Amino acid sequence: DAKTTQPTSMDCAEGRAANLPCNHSTISGNEYVYWYRQIHSQGPQYIIHGLKNNETNEMASLIITEDRKSSTLILPHATLRDTAVYYCIVRVARDDKIIFGKGTRLHILP
Amino acid sequence: GAVVSQHPSRVICKSGTSVKIECRSLDFQATTMFWYRQFPKQSLMLMATSNEGSKATYEQGVEKDKFLINHASLTLSTLTVTSAHPEDSSFYICSATRGDEKLFFGSGTQLSVL
Repeated sequence: DAKTTQPTSMDCAEGRAANLPCNHSTISGNEYVYWYRQIHSQGPQYIIHGLKNNETNEMASLIITEDRKSSTLILPHATLRDTAVYYCIVRVARDDKIIFGKGTRLHILP
Repeated sequence: GAVVSQHPSRVICKSGTSVKIECRSLDFQATTMFWYRQFPKQSLMLMATSNEGSKATYEQGVEKDKFLINHASLTLSTLTVTSAHPEDSSFYICSATRGDEKLFFGSGTQLSVL
């Protein structure tokens, strides 16, 4: 079973920051938090991952709470192309498999 | 960045035939590959874990004689759907790890069985 809980859907206005929450209250000390997104009829696209510290790359920022029981993915300036299903996943890393939850369907509104 | 190539992207076949889907890691050696299937408007469901040179590990409820997985090299894994039936119609996706923390996905194969 998936170890994360996410809202089913969210709306965000184009140009605004999209903040996607994720709960992972049973996360273990050696599990990373990963975010992927899936645009219709395509394979999932890697966005970002982190262990304890906040992370930022060219696509997004990942904020992990100090107790590591929840995190937030931030898309700083959402565009229509960011419309997708976003999956928050916890995983030990390296060869460990990924179990997908239901994800959050993000709608970017023009 | 690392790329996982999946082929074909779409296949239509008659009921009773077998279909092979290839998954290649193009610029890295993948010690482990995973196979998923996805039905419309649902999440990805893990089918099996494939390690180079050894038998695949199937998730509960996935028929290993129906879905044959071969991981013959560090860059290639194949999924063969044997004696396909309409209920096997789905979106199949592979993924691969390169030994660090990242997991990369192929672009998927849409299988339609008539």
